[in-house]
Amino acid sequence: QVQLQQWGAGLLKPSETLSLTCAVYGGSFSGYYWYWIRQSPGKGLEWIGKISHSGNTNYNASLESRVIMSVDTSKNQFSLRLTSVTAADTAVYYCARGRARGTAAFGYWGQGTLVTVSS
Amino acid sequence: DIVMTQSPDSLAVSLGDRATINCKSSQSVLYSSNNKNYLAWYQKKPGQPPKLLIYWASTRESGVPDRFSGSGSGTDFTLTINNLQAEDVAVYYCQQYYSLFSFGPGTKVEIK
Repeated sequence: QVQLQQWGAGLLKPSETLSLTCAVYGGSFSGYYWYWIRQSPGKGLEWIGKISHSGNTNYNASLESRVIMSVDTSKNQFSLRLTSVTAADTAVYYCARGRARGTAAFGYWGQGTLVTVSS
Repeated sequence: DIVMTQSPDSLAVSLGDRATINCKSSQSVLYSSNNKNYLAWYQKKPGQPPKLLIYWASTRESGVPDRFSGSGSGTDFTLTINNLQAEDVAVYYCQQYYSLFSFGPGTKVEIK
């Protein structure tokens, strides 16, 4: 059974860097893309980016200048960094994986991390 | 970018009745080489991550009750919840994965 467990700082000041990590338990780490998605308060879901086990990335164009994703295959973990955060980055952040290879219907999700940006 | 829209924004349905949610994409999400629609539906409850209900527009995820069904092709899709139960109160999102990824704005389902 695949499980994603995420963690990271929940309270940031404007201009700081958001940093989250997601650990994958069960199943294979290789052969999949790994995703970050967020939901701002009272708003819908927004895809942030994806990374392969080998480190290939794609980012949402609206966030691309501030996003860095990385993988640590030795630990079956992947991470998200979002620089120069503002109040607009306040959201619940989720890590996720497609339900199967070759599909980005997100069948596996982390528990979510609420990140609040406030001075 | 593919923009997803949903209608209605919210709906109230009596227990046991049917809920119908519509989703429209700004361009076709049907991949001609495999004849698959790259469209998924999710259920989102407060404090929980989204739950995948339907993928390939009409394939029910394992463990999802058969009262949930998806239909449509190209740019127009529908999620139908038959025999609505109290536990179905949630916000429902469609998502395309044909060209990168984007979600609809959500439809809130409540009990009348």
